[in-house]
Amino acid sequence: DSGVTQTPKHLITATGQRVTLRCSPRSGDLSVYWYQQSLDQGLQFLIQYYNGEERAKGNILERFSAQQFPDLHSELNLSSLELGDSALYFCASSARQNNEQFFGPGTRLTVL
Amino acid sequence: DQQVKQNSPSLSVQEGRISILNCDYTNSMFDYFLWYKKYPAEGPTFLISISSIKDKNEDGRFTVFLNKSAKHLSLHIVPSQPGDSAVYFCAATESGGSYIPTFGRGTSLIVHP
Repeated sequence: DSGVTQTPKHLITATGQRVTLRCSPRSGDLSVYWYQQSLDQGLQFLIQYYNGEERAKGNILERFSAQQFPDLHSELNLSSLELGDSALYFCASSARQNNEQFFGPGTRLTVL
Repeated sequence: DQQVKQNSPSLSVQEGRISILNCDYTNSMFDYFLWYKKYPAEGPTFLISISSIKDKNEDGRFTVFLNKSAKHLSLHIVPSQPGDSAVYFCAATESGGSYIPTFGRGTSLIVHP
């Protein structure tokens, strides 16, 4: 158990809908990262927050947004969902920016 | 353009033998490399890392070798055990940059008893 929790484990929704994925980092970790893993793809970095502030942005679509709250949990919002958004979404946390990342179990999103 | 490539999607090895997983990178700014292991229905877990100032790092049965001139690294598992069956991801970072790792697509290792 990495100490990083993600909810929900599975999410099935329809095209055009909006969903929110939640992540609670390890106790004390200030940095939260979001990744997308599509079929047969590596982990694609989406966005990083550090102590409530956006720190780095990767290949995140404009339809996607994230935030980190004062209690350090983070949410990833995906809107106007398309079939191609079906993927595993992982959250990871680290104590600081350059530390080893600890991954949550992921949320599997299926868009029908 | 993939900056970190794991060209073997899968590898099958007999228990007790050596498993060698390979990874190539193209970005010469990468100077810190990591291997993650992922079981089904779990997130990746950190396995071993190596800095570009070294060419080898060992941790128990796991050894990572780095060949900077060839932009190639490999993970050796000796001896391989059935519990090592998992997907292994290679990742690379620029320590002077954002520290966000760039991941390869992974290699699925199956260790047969």
